[in-house]
Amino acid sequence: RKEVEQDPGPFNVPEGATVAFNCTYSNSASQSFFWYRQDCRKEPKLLMSVYSSGNEDGRFTAQLNRASQYISLLIRDSKLSDSATYLCVVNEGHSGGGADGLTFGKGTHLIIQP
Amino acid sequence: DTGVSQDPRHKITKRGQNVTFRCDPISEHNRLYWYRQTLGQGPEFLTYFQNEAQLEKSRLLSDRFSAERPKGSFSTLEIQRTEQGDSAMYLCASSELAGGPTDTQYFGPGTRLTVL
Repeated sequence: RKEVEQDPGPFNVPEGATVAFNCTYSNSASQSFFWYRQDCRKEPKLLMSVYSSGNEDGRFTAQLNRASQYISLLIRDSKLSDSATYLCVVNEGHSGGGADGLTFGKGTHLIIQP
Repeated sequence: DTGVSQDPRHKITKRGQNVTFRCDPISEHNRLYWYRQTLGQGPEFLTYFQNEAQLEKSRLLSDRFSAERPKGSFSTLEIQRTEQGDSAMYLCASSELAGGPTDTQYFGPGTRLTVL
């Protein structure tokens, strides 16, 4: 399996600010991309899928750049409740030598400060 | 609760003992995955079932690990002769086969294993 890399942080950001994370992946044949959110000692939960055309869900915007093999997540008007670890996730599909197990980055730790 | 459930939530065992974890996927999800997560790392893929067939095993899954899904519903993950390095959170996820790699995987709360 190939790698997914992201800055572990922590990112300390004041409430109301905009914050952006990037992630790079090494397998150019990867087929689908996601951002998951994980709170301390909890399971990962899907935040949003990432499409080449970009997609937005409220204060969250995700972008995929296949040519450069990176994925981004933008959070606007950050809230205290956004404090969590954000996991960049790639599904290599059958190109990864297997089926549909996800490949996770180590996560970026975000702390929103009041 | 119709989400993925795992049992037990916590397990403390002594080195050399065997442990078994159970995962109940979301009803009618025919794909089931096991992952392992250690502190400061993202989850790492271990193995995957489609119905009762185990279709892929990671190199992380040593011969001390075995997983089953006998009736295509719940799954068990057994670790024999546990080692301290097995201490981790074991996560189960399920997805609905819809014909592609975009199937969303939903995670259970995990079983936290501590090997003393």
